[in-house]
Amino acid sequence: GQQLNQSPQSMFIQEGEDVSMNCTSSSIFNTWLWYKQEPGEGPVLLIALYKAGELTSNGRLTAQFGITRKDSFLNISASIPSDVGIYFCAGPPENRDDKIIFGKGTRLHILP
Amino acid sequence: KAGVTQTPRYLIKTRGQQVTLSCSPISGHRSVSWYQQTPGQGLQFLFEYFSETQRNKGNFPGRFSGRQFSNSRSEMNVSTLELGDSALYLCASSLISGTQVDTQYFGPGTRLTVL
Repeated sequence: GQQLNQSPQSMFIQEGEDVSMNCTSSSIFNTWLWYKQEPGEGPVLLIALYKAGELTSNGRLTAQFGITRKDSFLNISASIPSDVGIYFCAGPPENRDDKIIFGKGTRLHILP
Repeated sequence: KAGVTQTPRYLIKTRGQQVTLSCSPISGHRSVSWYQQTPGQGLQFLFEYFSETQRNKGNFPGRFSGRQFSNSRSEMNVSTLELGDSALYLCASSLISGTQVDTQYFGPGTRLTVL
């Protein structure tokens, strides 16, 4: 079935470092979404991307919609402790725009 | 504006029992979607309700069902609970149905543990 493959599964970084994670699929997506989930909470939408090649920022976060429409990247610059959480990519595949598929997430840990 | 609320936040049941979870969407939102989140499978779509009608359904057995009321509040029910049903059940609301996935707002979830 359709899947979103996120990597890495987890990351341990030092505070202040930049972070990069990505999401790939064998299917074409028309929309890419990036969410963050903190313990005990539901996912919160960070960035939405609608067009191949699009680059969108939200504060220290930047996400890109891959040219092939089969991948997306999320970068976090100058990480801070509150960036800790699980980051999910998601989207509706091109042939099923009535459903949203989620990746399994990248768990971000920040070392003091 | 109040966010999506889910009750209860935590629930412990035993195998074979049934459970009902509740979701109140953001005021004015008419679409409610339900998701199951587990460490192994991640977030998986259960179903979506809009204007009291089920619009979309994921690949879950018939033991999982839901409904939506005229005030857009939604409930989901799981009958004959199995150990594998232990998960965080998330509800998300949005203004309209279907493809406007970027306008979904998630609640905090109900953590269900089946013993």
